[in-house]
Amino acid sequence: DGGITQSPKYLFRKEGQNVTLSCEQNLNHDAMYWYRQDPGQGLRLIYYSQIVNDFQKGDIAEGYSVSREKKESFPLTVTSAQKNPTAFYLCASRRTGLNYGYTFGSGTRLTVV
Amino acid sequence: GQQLNQSPQSMFIQEGEDVSMNCTSSSIFNTWLWYKQDPGEGPVLLIALYKAGELTSNGRLTAQFGITRKDSFLNISASIPSDVGIYFCAGQLIVSGNTGKLIFGQGTTLQVKP
Repeated sequence: DGGITQSPKYLFRKEGQNVTLSCEQNLNHDAMYWYRQDPGQGLRLIYYSQIVNDFQKGDIAEGYSVSREKKESFPLTVTSAQKNPTAFYLCASRRTGLNYGYTFGSGTRLTVV
Repeated sequence: GQQLNQSPQSMFIQEGEDVSMNCTSSSIFNTWLWYKQDPGEGPVLLIALYKAGELTSNGRLTAQFGITRKDSFLNISASIPSDVGIYFCAGQLIVSGNTGKLIFGQGTTLQVKP
């Protein structure tokens, strides 16, 4: 079955460390997105990519970086510059064209210790 | 950034009751989506709306795209315990073109008492 896979499910990071969250999809979707979710808040867009080797900043890109070297993969790096990285991170993909909704992964919970 | 106001923030209802929640904005959208999220999981798409005035059902769920393009509601009829979760509205602004960028409401947490 096609789907979108995020790993790991839980991640612990020491302050000052960079960590990379994985997102892989086999849906043949062109566009991929990273959102951050905090308790009691809606999802906020970090970065998105509509085609390979191209990506754009979302509303809260500071302290994060991404790459899109393959259509299937869109990893997110949370850098030490991100002041409050503890959150639930969601990756999504969609077919481009028309107004298709996203397919979401199951998320990665990042905790800074 | 752009805001979607989703209400109510939370609901605690008896099994069998109907539920209604809505999202409003000062901006105009070309797409409204409703998602459900279970704890520790990613949101799952429930209903997608693409035209102003559109009314769409998915089982016990019904959603409408407001005529003004600035709002949407979701109704759940005859709630059951598995309806528990967080419901999010999401909209794509007309000005977003084909980027697929969505704006999400803050979520409505639904609890159902058997």
